[in-house]
Amino acid sequence: GAVVSQHPSRVICKSGTSVKIECRSLDFQATTMFWYRQFPKQSLMLMATSNEGSKATYEQGVEKDKFLINHASLTLSTLTVTSAHPEDSSFYICSARLGAGSSYNEQFFGPGTRLTVL
Amino acid sequence: SQQGEEDPQALSIQEGENATMNCSYKTSINNLQWYRQNSGRGLVHLILIRSNEREKHSGRLRVTLDTSKKSSSLLITASRAADTASYFCATGSNQAGTALIFGKGTTLSVSS
Repeated sequence: GAVVSQHPSRVICKSGTSVKIECRSLDFQATTMFWYRQFPKQSLMLMATSNEGSKATYEQGVEKDKFLINHASLTLSTLTVTSAHPEDSSFYICSARLGAGSSYNEQFFGPGTRLTVL
Repeated sequence: SQQGEEDPQALSIQEGENATMNCSYKTSINNLQWYRQNSGRGLVHLILIRSNEREKHSGRLRVTLDTSKKSSSLLITASRAADTASYFCATGSNQAGTALIFGKGTTLSVSS
């Protein structure tokens, strides 16, 4: 099956630093990737939709200058949390969608990245 | 944005009992999917039901979909302690390239 990886799986950083999270589709090309955030004991909230070669589309309330998304290739999307603060501490999960021809919105999820900002 | 509600928010049962979780959504969908998430871990895809389907089975899982009521249910039969996890429904829209939208989830606790 389709596999999506995320790196790192866990990161602890100081307040004010920037953190980059990578999301890779390992055995398929993903024209579209999605970034979700999950706070403790809550559900996944969609942050942004990332299309290869174009600017990401952010959900309402998500600061695009704080959460920089780059989707430079069909197998890699990165999320950079800039000037991280403790309230950005969360579980970040990416997913990748199969390309054209997949009619049922199949998405494959990465294992998530636990970000802790001190 | 979140699509809808799941109930109950929390469910505690004994091993061997059945667990039923419900999910409601607001907009038209192409499909509805159920996921499991163990504490602090990633998502595990359980089952997908398409909008033209009414019921689907997979092992001990049974999913129903009622598009007229915009609701779905997940039944886990003969539950095991290992079924303890959070369960989320997620809806896929008809619009190509759009993300799955998740419900708030049900936390299931199965005690032995």
